[in-house]
Amino acid sequence: EAGVAQSPRYKIIEKRQSVAFWCNPISGHATLYWYQQILGQGPKLLIQFQNNGVVDDSQLPKDRFSAERLKGVDSTLKIQPAKLEDSAVYLCASSLGRRGFPLHFGNGTRLTVT
Amino acid sequence: DQQVKQNSPSLSVQEGRISILNCDYTNSMFDYFLWYKKYPAEGPTFLISISSIKDKNEDGRFTVFLNKSAKHLSLHIVPSQPGDSAVYFCAASAPNYGQNFVFGPGTRLSVLP
Repeated sequence: EAGVAQSPRYKIIEKRQSVAFWCNPISGHATLYWYQQILGQGPKLLIQFQNNGVVDDSQLPKDRFSAERLKGVDSTLKIQPAKLEDSAVYLCASSLGRRGFPLHFGNGTRLTVT
Repeated sequence: DQQVKQNSPSLSVQEGRISILNCDYTNSMFDYFLWYKKYPAEGPTFLISISSIKDKNEDGRFTVFLNKSAKHLSLHIVPSQPGDSAVYFCAASAPNYGQNFVFGPGTRLSVLP
């Protein structure tokens, strides 16, 4: 089974610029997550989709972050404008969407904001 | 307020010995727990899970123990191998969280040859 695909792997931008990340989940996985992992911390949920609807975006900084999941498959996460504190690894994960099943993560995008 | 804590940032163990990684949680509603392993420049990889109806789950060299009254779980790796050197995260979910998981800060395990 193909895993969760993410691109790009690395991105360096200046503050106030915009950036977008792409994720393709495991085929058949209804639930898709975007997590932010700051160095030395555990992943923190930004947004959770069930098919193409948002389940939880309570920790998404909506003044600068946006995400969409068109047709219930691929997803994009955008940051505009970026701040220095957005430097982190952005992890996409997917799951079958039922309790008792784990999340499967992609390799992440490492974002550096200078 | 951290709901999932891993109080040991790092742990070193000799190859062949037992590694014990600990995790504490504060939310009594958590009823499903996962352990993940993460190598540098890779995403976290699922290792093992346990639900609150059990107090132990085994998968090969990995065993997870859950003590609900103490709100504590631990991951045992026996025997430890150099390839086990990684950062280990525990994660927890509650019924009202849907499929959302809260992660601990991780413990870096080094297995010395």
